[in-house]
Amino acid sequence: GAGVSQTPSNKVTEKGKYVELRCDPISGHTALYWYRQSLGQGPEFLIYFQGTGAADDSGLPNDRFFAVRPEGSVSTLKIQRTERGDSAVYLCASSSWVNTEAFFGQGTRLTVV
Amino acid sequence: QKEVEQDPGPLSVPEGAIVSLNCTYSNSAFQYFMWYRQYSRKGPELLMYTYSSGNKEDGRFTAQVDKSSKYISLFIRDSQPSDSATYLCAMRPQGGSEKLVFGKGTKLTVNP
Repeated sequence: GAGVSQTPSNKVTEKGKYVELRCDPISGHTALYWYRQSLGQGPEFLIYFQGTGAADDSGLPNDRFFAVRPEGSVSTLKIQRTERGDSAVYLCASSSWVNTEAFFGQGTRLTVV
Repeated sequence: QKEVEQDPGPLSVPEGAIVSLNCTYSNSAFQYFMWYRQYSRKGPELLMYTYSSGNKEDGRFTAQVDKSSKYISLFIRDSQPSDSATYLCAMRPQGGSEKLVFGKGTKLTVNP
């Protein structure tokens, strides 16, 4: 596709369940980022991949959060034992190389009930 | 104190007005400064990208960076109803991680 694609666009889950959020970056983009945006706040950094490896995962809030990018393209953000405080919009972005514009997807709105 | 401070507004102006949006920051290592526009239920879209200090103009938009004051601004001239959105400032240091640090965003409404 032409832009960054995130699926699902909306996800409602029960507290304690496991969820996976998918990001399909722009074709050929080597850098991929995950951010989390709570209501009324700016995006907060979670993790950054360069190729297949996580170059910086310092923003992951705790060990319930994990992300992979096994083939250097699609990435999956995994959240175990979801809590109500995990409710937010999860944004993915990609760029063709470092120091260039990052293009954002529309986000996945996660609601934990 | 947060690394990046941005007044969330809301800001409401009449069509045609000049809009001034601002952010302050505390980390002197920040070298790259960006402004994003975010429409409701959409992802952020990059508007302006500036390295270090100075001004940059693109159409109706002007970005200014004053590193000595740790203050950045975005000016919108001849504002249009289609400019109604949340504007986010973002920044990062040179080198090291590519992670951006965002402000809270300012919600702007331009009234026809």
